[in-house]
Parts: sequence; structure tokens; C-alpha cells
Amino acid sequence: DAGITQSPRHKVTETGTPVTLRCHQTENHRYMYWYRQDPGHGLRLIHYSYGVKDTDKGEVSDGYSVSRSKTEDFLLTLESATSSQTSVYFCAISEVRGRNQPQHFGDGTRLSIL
Amino acid sequence: GNSVTQMEGPVTLSEEAFLTINCTYTATGYPSLFWYVQYPGEGLQLLLKATKADDKGSNKGFEATYRKETTSFHLEKGSVQVSDSAVYFCALSDYGGSQGNLIFGKGTKLSVKP
Repeated sequence: DAGITQSPRHKVTETGTPVTLRCHQTENHRYMYWYRQDPGHGLRLIHYSYGVKDTDKGEVSDGYSVSRSKTEDFLLTLESATSSQTSVYFCAISEVRGRNQPQHFGDGTRLSIL
Repeated sequence: GNSVTQMEGPVTLSEEAFLTINCTYTATGYPSLFWYVQYPGEGLQLLLKATKADDKGSNKGFEATYRKETTSFHLEKGSVQVSDSAVYFCALSDYGGSQGNLIFGKGTKLSVKP
């Protein structure tokens, strides 16, 4: 299994509070991704990174920011959490970014915003 | 834009039954196609992939053939086991559009009864 650790695994917080989720990898892969999983939507890309300090937006980036100061860590921040951001968040990594390359996923963070 | 449509289920089968989960896609260019599996409480794991027309991906008794003429990538298994109970996601790679990266179907939940 790819060495991907997401923390925390579960979090409950209140509307309006800031939240940061962490993804840590031990594979030294260049590319890292954040997805959210919601019933009836599958997985949707929030942001991705193609190197240290290099990030780009995905399909559902509004309300989220990311940072990558080291190869191994990719942080997802909800500046002011809303109930619509209640979801399961998955981090993924890939060694290269090409049409044939699969991504490897962490075990997810279940986030509930009350 | 590019998209993936898969039967949403849930699908309930008896052990040793034949499994088909339908997946069709819309894409420009020549995407690669993937099936991922998600066991309860875990992240997504790559099950199989196919990178060009008529390719057959296979793993753990599961198979899927990339059919360009019908834009399909149906997942099949000849004899399912209780341990195959999971959610299955079809996905395509999209590295040319604004969405970028993997595009997922909504997932199909499979339950196998003893």
C-alpha cells in the first residue's frame, strides 16, 4: 500500500470555524490531490499540487485553500467552514501525471460541520 | 465536458453469482479508464485499468474491456464472494480539460450475501 496518512481521521466542528486537514506521504511522489466524496456525486477534485508551492484548482475549489511547503505534506484548509462542506475528504498521490497513471488514495477524513 | 456514468445500485447478489456493473463514458481524445474499489471505512484502491481501445484490464477475477465503439468499460466477475462487497467506481483520466486528472462515476455499491 502507498504510504499515505491523513489526519485527523474524524472531525466534528462548528460553522464558521477554520479547519485544516493534513495529508502526509512517504513515497516522495510529485503530485498530490484533494477530493471530496459525497453521496450521489462520487469523488470530485478540490485542488491538486504538482510540486512544492505549486498548486492548482479543481472542479470544486470554492471555499478551500491548499498549501504544500514540503514534498511530503499537502494541507487542505477550510477558512470558515460551512455545513455544505460536511463530507469525506480523500488525499491521493501519483508519481507522474499522465493519462495512464493511476492515483493512490489515503483512508479519508470524515468531516462534520454542525 | 468529459463524464462517466455508471449504474448506481445498490446491487445485491448471492455468493457465486455473475457480476456486471455498467460504465459508459463521454470523452474527447483518448482517455485511460480505471475501476477503483472502496471497502468500508477505507480509501479507494485501484482494481484494474485499460489504456487504449480493446485493452482488457483484469485483477482478482474482475475484468473490464475498453470498448471505444460503445464508449463503455463494464466491470465483470464470474463468481462473486462475500469479500467483494464494496463500492466500485469507474473513472477516466482527463488531463487536457479544465477539470484535469481523474473523473469518477458516482459509484455502485455491491452487497454479496452468503
